[in-house]
Amino acid sequence: DSGVTQTPKHLITATGQRVTLRCSPRSGDLSVYWYQQSLDQGLQFLIQYYNGEERAKGNILERFSAQQFPDLHSELNLSSLELGDSALYFCASSVMDSYNEQFFGPGTRLTVL
Amino acid sequence: GENVEQHPSTLSVQEGDSAVIKCTYSDSASNYFPWYKQELGKRPQLIIDIRSNVGEKKDQRIAVTLNKTAKHFSLHITETQPEDSAVYFCAARPRGGAGGTSYGKLTFGQGTILTVHP
Repeated sequence: DSGVTQTPKHLITATGQRVTLRCSPRSGDLSVYWYQQSLDQGLQFLIQYYNGEERAKGNILERFSAQQFPDLHSELNLSSLELGDSALYFCASSVMDSYNEQFFGPGTRLTVL
Repeated sequence: GENVEQHPSTLSVQEGDSAVIKCTYSDSASNYFPWYKQELGKRPQLIIDIRSNVGEKKDQRIAVTLNKTAKHFSLHITETQPEDSAVYFCAARPRGGAGGTSYGKLTFGQGTILTVHP
């Protein structure tokens, strides 16, 4: 157990819908990262927050957004869902942002039907 | 941006043999190189990492080597066991800095499926 928690574990929804994935970092970690893992794209970095502020952005679609709250938990919002959004979404956390290990949560498996 | 290539995509070895997985990266600013092990349906777990000021690091049966000049790094597993069977990912992270946009972003290789036969 890495200490990073994610909810829900599984999510099944329909195209066009909107979902919210939640992540709680390890105690003391200020930085949260979101990754998408699909069979054809591997592990792709989406976005990073550090102490409530957006720090870095990857190939995150405009339909996706995220935020980090004052208690440091983070939410990833996915809207206008498409079949291709089906994937495992991982959250990771680290103490700060550079030169620190990232610890991954158990992931949320999103299935879009 | 950074690009990480990982080889081989699949690796099959007999128990007790050694396994080597290689990665190359493109961004010379990268200075942190972790390796993750992922079992089916589970989260990636950090197994070893190396920073750019070190050429080699070892932890029991696992070792990582880094060649900054050639921009490649490798994972070495000795005396493999069936429980080593998993997908292994290498990653690279560039040095962050004032105004930088990379910070903690990890760029992953495509993964290597390692199978250790008893």
